[in-house]
Amino acid sequence: DAGVIQSPRHEVTEMGQEVTLRCKPISGHNSLFWYRQTMMRGLELLIYFNNNVPIDDSGMPEDRFSAKMPNASFSTLKIQPSEPRDSAVYFCASSLRTASGANVLTFGAGSRLTVL
Amino acid sequence: QKEVEQNSGPLSVPEGAIASLNCTYSDRGSQSFFWYRQYSGKSPELIMFIYSNGDKEDGRFTAQLNKASQYVSLLIRDSQPSDSATYLCAVNRTGRRALTFGSGTRLQVQP
Repeated sequence: DAGVIQSPRHEVTEMGQEVTLRCKPISGHNSLFWYRQTMMRGLELLIYFNNNVPIDDSGMPEDRFSAKMPNASFSTLKIQPSEPRDSAVYFCASSLRTASGANVLTFGAGSRLTVL
Repeated sequence: QKEVEQNSGPLSVPEGAIASLNCTYSDRGSQSFFWYRQYSGKSPELIMFIYSNGDKEDGRFTAQLNKASQYVSLLIRDSQPSDSATYLCAVNRTGRRALTFGSGTRLQVQP
């Protein structure tokens, strides 16, 4: 399996522009997560889906952020309009619950966003 | 109080020594506990997870869990320079699939 695939790997944009980040989870994984990582705040959960349904979006900073999962193999995270404080590395992860009940997350390579 | 707390480090150990990384968590409902390693500029990768009190060993790594004290640790035996990275502790609360991460401890293994 190719693992969790994210695109783009790097994005530089100007304040006010729309940004769309994409993720393809591991085939067969039924949960998908979007995290954001910054030096100041560490790795924080934005939203997660279970069987394509959003379960917890309490981490989404504000209405400028939206996420969709139209099918089991694709998800998007959109920021509109973008602001400099959105600059961060955005990770997508997918998971499959193990026989022991532990939910093991596998991360993609991340999308590094810079908003000027 | 943060849900998951780690000392940011850096923790510096000589090559061949045992590195001990610690983590405390606040939610007694936490069920599973994870250690991830993150190299600079890379994504987190799973080292191991534990869900029962006691020790769990995997090669040079041992995870220790004490639910009464709400404490998780990771021991790395025979530390190598290639172990130099940030180690993230994460917990999984009952009924919630997402993991809550600590801010990480940076480990430096000196050759």
